[in-house]
Amino acid sequence: IQLTQSPSSLSASIGDRVTITCRASQGISGHLAWYQQKPGKAPKPLIYAASSLQSGVPPRFSGSGSGTEFTLTISSLQPEDFATYYCQQLNSYPVTFGGGTRVEIK
Amino acid sequence: EVRLVESGGGLVQPGGSLRLSCAASGFTFSDHHMDWVRQAPGKGLEWVGRSRDKPDRFRTDYAASVEGRFTISRDDSKDSLYLEMNSLKTEDTAVYFCARDSRKHNMDVWGKGTTVTVSS
Repeated sequence: IQLTQSPSSLSASIGDRVTITCRASQGISGHLAWYQQKPGKAPKPLIYAASSLQSGVPPRFSGSGSGTEFTLTISSLQPEDFATYYCQQLNSYPVTFGGGTRVEIK
Repeated sequence: EVRLVESGGGLVQPGGSLRLSCAASGFTFSDHHMDWVRQAPGKGLEWVGRSRDKPDRFRTDYAASVEGRFTISRDDSKDSLYLEMNSLKTEDTAVYFCARDSRKHNMDVWGKGTTVTVSS
């Protein structure tokens, strides 16, 4: 299953609402996760099962979608949110990741 | 504290072998599927493979890019996961992360990674 993220990069300002899309090449039910990664660090889990917030993650992050189209939304971008974001499907093997979306400061 | 610590990375020549280890602590290791994920320099995340838990008969699954060259194993008595890498290619150069499957459709605990460089 291929995952296509869009956009591949974006520039945004502090306080902006940011939406990242992940499209699956076939239906994956709600078996999708989102991660945040900063340079030189391991990925940090944000969302599991498409829309459930990982413990300790700020509520400005939210996920939605099912089937083949999913979104990650950051309601009000904060300085610490500038990073690369990845979606991941765990519906079937092989597990796959999207290509990533780099969120940069405008 | 829940923790995963990878070790065993280094420089190896093309065609060579290397064994990575992942030591787990702070949770019941035997209750979880465990994964290896890698990231080549400047690239995105790539799933390498999975070791399923005992109820799933310790079955392993691999990405096509490593199938037949890499072998994942686990020792639940030592709370450890392993990745045996053979016939290494330059394109296997990456940071290798160990991760825990949460059983809620994500990987909720990650190690800091160990770097593997395949070069002559």
